[in-house]
Amino acid sequence: GQQLNQSPQSMFIQEGEDVSMNCTSSSIFNTWLWYKQDPGEGPVLLIALYKAGELTSNGRLTAQFGITRKDSFLNISASIPSDVGIYFCAGQLSKAAGNKLTFGGGTRVLVKP
Amino acid sequence: EAQVTQNPRYLITVTGKKLTVTCSQNMNHEYMSWYRQDPGLGLRQIYYSMNVEVTDKGDVPEGYKVSRKEKRNFPLILESPSPNQTSLYFCASSPRGPLNTIYFGEGSWLTVV
Repeated sequence: GQQLNQSPQSMFIQEGEDVSMNCTSSSIFNTWLWYKQDPGEGPVLLIALYKAGELTSNGRLTAQFGITRKDSFLNISASIPSDVGIYFCAGQLSKAAGNKLTFGGGTRVLVKP
Repeated sequence: EAQVTQNPRYLITVTGKKLTVTCSQNMNHEYMSWYRQDPGLGLRQIYYSMNVEVTDKGDVPEGYKVSRKEKRNFPLILESPSPNQTSLYFCASSPRGPLNTIYFGEGSWLTVV
């Protein structure tokens, strides 16, 4: 079953706001990845994290690999309308899991009316 | 242009009628994978392949088959589709494994009635 819990499930953003989302698990993950999916398209990789404690940025996006290796966070600063979409975390459970990739349920980002 | 191409993009079929969703990539990638996306569950891996004639089960392989006879193609076969296989399916590829940048296809909407 699902091993990655992503929250919130959905959120509304207002242009200029900073937003955060996270992914947690009861299991230790070896690698964390963050993807964004635009409507009608496949997911696109945003950030990859390979070491516990690692903090990586990609433009206005910043993600961190939790020190316990059981969680990861994604922050979007100064949000803009094109940030709307579904954000997924994904991870490699362990080296023993080989080439399997586990995805979270997604955080749907919407614009405040 | 580098791309992953899936066909068909949309299909409505009846229970028990065998169908194949094709996937082709033009990037000479070794790794290919199939995912299904369902609301609230994120993407769940069905099968993956590290190279020609090498395939492995993902998290939800039941009811599906795959083959990798050529590097560029990785078809998903539903021998006897059932309504619980109604979903959005994504094929993906990457140079060597899931931790490289993965390129996703545009998705195939499948409805089984």
